[in-house]
Amino acid sequence: AQTVTQSQPEMSVQEAETVTLSCTYDTSESDYYLFWYKQPPSRQMILVIRQEAYKQQNATENRFSVNFQKAAKSFSLKISDSQLGDAAMYFCAYRTRGNDYKLSFGAGTTVTVRA
Amino acid sequence: DAGVTQSPTHLIKTRGQHVTLRCSPISGHKSVSWYQQVLGQGPQFIFQYYEKEERGRGNFPDRFSARQFPNYSSELNVNALLLGDSALYLCASSLVVGWGRGNEKLFFGSGTQLSVL
Repeated sequence: AQTVTQSQPEMSVQEAETVTLSCTYDTSESDYYLFWYKQPPSRQMILVIRQEAYKQQNATENRFSVNFQKAAKSFSLKISDSQLGDAAMYFCAYRTRGNDYKLSFGAGTTVTVRA
Repeated sequence: DAGVTQSPTHLIKTRGQHVTLRCSPISGHKSVSWYQQVLGQGPQFIFQYYEKEERGRGNFPDRFSARQFPNYSSELNVNALLLGDSALYLCASSLVVGWGRGNEKLFFGSGTQLSVL
């Protein structure tokens, strides 16, 4: 079974500054997807960024970027130029190659943004 | 287009009762998945249905069941409710399933908050 670990329950960042969220995972697979989801108080999970394991290039989406270290099984999220709207719970998730679409989530990191 | 819609948004039940949660996927999406999110934890996979067939099942007891209808909407049923079933139940839809079908994404609803007293 795959496990996803987020070791930072809470992170705080000053508006306009940068924050990095950590995620490690355990798998014996060589091909898989990794995701970061954002869950604001509205409770809806919103996809922030996605990384395919076979791609060495780190994914970026505007102010969000990842540092994917496959050998270390590490997948961190960097939020640059933090905005008040970035305040939310962030979940790291893993999807194995298979005939389904099962996501395994970490426990989450709460991000607060200070004005 | 409407996103994934779930009903009801909140629900209060007592131990031993039965509950049915409903989910309507995004128009054109044929796959629906259910997740349970206990307070302070990440979501846990319960079921996935595609074209009305079960494609995946998580580590949940037989008290949990689901089905998908011809219009691709879905119901999650939980029998003999326990206090530990109190959680946010999230539904997600996707256009397709499987690997290598392109950049299919999973779209989540806002969930049903179930409280068992």
